[in-house]
Amino acid sequence: EVQLLESGGGLVQPGGSLRVSCAAAGFTFSDYAMSWVRQAPGKGLEWVSGISGSGGHTYYADSVRGRFIISRSNFRNTLYLQLNSLRAEDTAVYYCARGFIDGLDIWGQGTRVTVSP
Amino acid sequence: SSELTQPPSVSVSPGQTARITCSGDVLSKKYAYWYQQKSGQAPILVIYDDTKRPSGIPERFSGSSSGTVATLTISGAQMEDEADYYCDSTDISGDQRVFGGGTKLTVL
Repeated sequence: EVQLLESGGGLVQPGGSLRVSCAAAGFTFSDYAMSWVRQAPGKGLEWVSGISGSGGHTYYADSVRGRFIISRSNFRNTLYLQLNSLRAEDTAVYYCARGFIDGLDIWGQGTRVTVSP
Repeated sequence: SSELTQPPSVSVSPGQTARITCSGDVLSKKYAYWYQQKSGQAPILVIYDDTKRPSGIPERFSGSSSGTVATLTISGAQMEDEADYYCDSTDISGDQRVFGGGTKLTVL
């Protein structure tokens, strides 16, 4: 079964850092670009970042460029998002999703990140 | 502009046809994608490449696109179709994805 499982969310203070992960199963991970999408409480979806299958190309929304870093381990079938210099407005559920240019066809259940003193 | 605009809400009676629009200049050059998100759940892809339906998505879901407007149509909407629906696409450069603001579909 194709599956994505996020982990690593939690409560962090403003200015702090956190790394969230997404474990993939049921497909050849390295064949697919991957993305992170977030959803603030009561708000819509916001694409955050994408990465090519090899990991050689990375892409960011303007709102997170320079603060967040996307990476992947094709050996471990895992996608990562390093969140630095966190702000209150980064509070959201963070979803990983399979795909980037050609749409997002499989989504995980999300991990919640709360930025608060 | 890479912005995508959706109506905040659409209401239909069961069995009627629901149409949700998504407008943006980028749609004249890039494909539209549609996602369904039920309360408390992760989104799922219901339409890709403007008109294609992933396996497992009911045939009552269809998509179309003309010029700068993409449309998601649910023919014979059912109570279980109540959800938020989001369109998305890529920006002109292909370096970012952009979502519409979402449309809450009410079937009652």
